[in-house]
Amino acid sequence: DVKVTQSSRYLVKRTGEKVFLECVQDMDHENMFWYRQDPGLGLRLIYFSYDVKMKEKGDIPEGYSVSREKKERFSLILESASTNQTSMYLCASSRDRDLFTFGSGTRLTVV
Amino acid sequence: EDQVTQSPEALRLQEGESSSLNCSYTVSGLRGLFWYRQDPGKGPEFLFTLYSAGEEKEKERLKATLTKKESFLHITAPKPEDSATYLCALLKGSNYQLIWGAGTKLIIKP
Repeated sequence: DVKVTQSSRYLVKRTGEKVFLECVQDMDHENMFWYRQDPGLGLRLIYFSYDVKMKEKGDIPEGYSVSREKKERFSLILESASTNQTSMYLCASSRDRDLFTFGSGTRLTVV
Repeated sequence: EDQVTQSPEALRLQEGESSSLNCSYTVSGLRGLFWYRQDPGKGPEFLFTLYSAGEEKEKERLKATLTKKESFLHITAPKPEDSATYLCALLKGSNYQLIWGAGTKLIIKP
């Protein structure tokens, strides 16, 4: 069964901490994505990557950075966590445009 | 401005009571419309892709349809296990940008 695995289901971090969210896929997909999901707002794209070491900003990249050193791994970095970054973070991968496979999500709370 | 609106926000049905969820949109250069299902605490799970007005797709009790301005997700004789949040998303352009609706939370009571 193909999978996108996010390293943590729940995280609690303090304001100002540097936070790493990890995502690994086993489908050999070129494209990987980081979204955040907030009630009433839908999914919002933070960053995406269409190849190793390549990255593109999404709709809300401020306060975030990403790293893709290997094809299967896409990391989201919160440089200095703030309370308004409390959210559900979803990683996804795709080979083609019409099938995104999502991970189970990381619920991050910044206190 | 590109926009996707799902309605209703929440829908409670009795088991066996058929209904429809709506996804209306204003997008230029639409390349595809997607429906996903999301269970609590999980990531969205792909259901359907529709590419052109008039297209229909079915899977078990679900049928998705598409017009030039909206898509419907029809659910026939639902069961409690169909309870979930249903999300629609539109693909525009060629840069993998999906525009997501806020979702409809569907609750099926036994």
